[in-house]
Amino acid sequence: ETGVTQSPTHLIKTRGQQVTLRCSSQSGHNTVSWYQQALGQGPQFIFQYYREEENGRGNFPPRFSGLQFPNYSSELNVNALELDDSALYLCASSLTGAETQYFGPGTRLLVL
Amino acid sequence: SQQGEEDPQALSIQEGENATMNCSYKTSINNLQWYRQNSGRGLVHLILIRSNEREKHSGRLRVTLDTSKKSSSLLITASRAADTASYFCATDNQAGTALIFGKGTTLSVSS
Repeated sequence: ETGVTQSPTHLIKTRGQQVTLRCSSQSGHNTVSWYQQALGQGPQFIFQYYREEENGRGNFPPRFSGLQFPNYSSELNVNALELDDSALYLCASSLTGAETQYFGPGTRLLVL
Repeated sequence: SQQGEEDPQALSIQEGENATMNCSYKTSINNLQWYRQNSGRGLVHLILIRSNEREKHSGRLRVTLDTSKKSSSLLITASRAADTASYFCATDNQAGTALIFGKGTTLSVSS
């Protein structure tokens, strides 16, 4: 148990819809990163938030956006869902950027 | 894009045997980490080795790093059925903000 929680655990959406995924970071961690993991692949970095500001972004389009709140919890929003957005979305918290990150159990999103 | 490449993609062994997984990467790094993932759930951090370290141990795990060859290996000794999982190496990006993962090695340990 890492202390990182994510909700919901599973979600089914249809193409074109919007989705919001939530993450509560481990106590004391001020950095949250989001990753997308397609089936059979390694996680791919979406973006990172540090003290409520975006601190780095991977190769994902602007329809992937995020927020971090004063309590360091975070949201990932995806607009205009596409079939290829079907994946496991992982949230990770840490004290610093790319040192040891503590992952939540993930949200599995299916886009039909 | 993925920085690390694990080898082999899949590994099947018997309980009690040792399992060795390799990871190669492309650019210079500050550190390299290994994570385990059970059945498509969250990743669990196993071990971090810094670029100025050559070998590190944690319980039944032994990690080596060869920065001249841009490669690392993870050795799990005396494997157990509970070690069945996918194993990923991860390096940091140049900005130090993200982990860059390989595609992983799927380890199956049978009793």
